[in-house]
Amino acid sequence: DAGVTQSPTHLIKTRGQQVTLRCSPKSGHDTVSWYQQALGQGPQFIFQYYEEEERQRGNFPDRFSGHQFPNYSSELNVNALLLGDSALYLCASRAGGSHEQYFGPGTRLTVT
Amino acid sequence: AQSVTQLDSQVPVFEEAPVELRCNYSSSVSVYLFWYVQYPNQGLQLLLKYLSGSTLVKGINGFEAEFNKSQTSFHLRKPSVHISDTAEYFCAVRGDSWGKLQFGAGTQVVVTP
Repeated sequence: DAGVTQSPTHLIKTRGQQVTLRCSPKSGHDTVSWYQQALGQGPQFIFQYYEEEERQRGNFPDRFSGHQFPNYSSELNVNALLLGDSALYLCASRAGGSHEQYFGPGTRLTVT
Repeated sequence: AQSVTQLDSQVPVFEEAPVELRCNYSSSVSVYLFWYVQYPNQGLQLLLKYLSGSTLVKGINGFEAEFNKSQTSFHLRKPSVHISDTAEYFCAVRGDSWGKLQFGAGTQVVVTP
């Protein structure tokens, strides 16, 4: 049983560009959350998707948007990249009634 | 709103010695508490969780944690560490029904022979 998978593993973008990160949840999971982990810090909640809708959002600007597909996979889009967007982006999934979130290995985004 | 404070940014420890990582939280509602471990260049792995019931929670890899409601703490312990326990450890709290986790800043554990 595959766990949470994310792609790509690493990404280098230029300031002002746009980026899309992808996540496939663990089998049987229907809820996907995204977190941003800056270097030396704990993960910060970006938003959560359930039934293809954004259900909860953290303190991130509208440049951060997402999508969930019918197969529960999800995308995180970031527009107008800033140097400060450089971070490890983590996807986590859980089954709707569960308290346990399973994390993927993350996508390391570097903005130059 | 919830918040989590991990009181130590780095904890050096010798192999086979005990270790304790301290975590305090604040919340206006009932909480669920978690400890995660992050090895270099990897995602987060759940070590243990407190949802309800017994305040002493046992997790994977020999770790355990004790929930103390009066002190709003959830400290993580291991009686004897191995070199392979070198990693970053995160305490997290979930205080709502949606599942959003609030993480602490992390504690880096460095185990030396």
